[in-house]
Amino acid sequence: GEDVEQSLFLSVREGDSSVINCTYTDSSSTYLYWYKQEPGAGLQLLTYIFSNMDMKQDQRLTVLLNKKDKHLSLRIADTQTGDSAIYFCAESLDGSARQLTFGSGTQLTVLP
Amino acid sequence: SQTIHQWPATLVQPVGSPLSLECTVEGTSNPNLYWYRQAAGRGLQLLFYSVGIGQISSEVPQNLSASRPQDRQFILSSKKLLLSDSGFYLCAWRGKPGQGEEKLFFGSGTQLSVL
Repeated sequence: GEDVEQSLFLSVREGDSSVINCTYTDSSSTYLYWYKQEPGAGLQLLTYIFSNMDMKQDQRLTVLLNKKDKHLSLRIADTQTGDSAIYFCAESLDGSARQLTFGSGTQLTVLP
Repeated sequence: SQTIHQWPATLVQPVGSPLSLECTVEGTSNPNLYWYRQAAGRGLQLLFYSVGIGQISSEVPQNLSASRPQDRQFILSSKKLLLSDSGFYLCAWRGKPGQGEEKLFFGSGTQLSVL
């Protein structure tokens, strides 16, 4: 079955760039997502990328997709303390939520 | 704009007691609705989804049930809670295919502790 893996923790200094990595197993994945979960809150969709794209940029966020290696990354430029949260990578075979598989999340801690 | 409400935010229940978590969506009609559970240190697990009133599909066998009495209302229930039901429960909605709403929108979640 599908599997999505992420490292559990990442710490960065305020102002530095953060890079959160994710690997997935199913090469049929068509949609890849990044969600953010702040303490005590639900998940917020940050961005998503179609499998026919290599990169997507949205303000401070850059998503890179290496389809050959099945590797997805989220880069946050000029990381702020408000970026501290858990970041979930997710993939979907057909864009439907039924086929959505989430990673276990990466806890990003931004140090002053 | 569309919003999703989920309550309560936190809940502490004894083993064997019943459960009812409610989720409502505003600003859209005929959405697909979902219940997810997030166990500590793990990703999200899809529990139930619904494509319409009275239509519920279960993804995993479990102690929980779901109902959709109205178009924009989704309820997660249990007759007798188990310790293993503890977790963070998230309701989500998504538009129908072809409506250009591929994104999944989540509620703020309910932290359930079964003691």
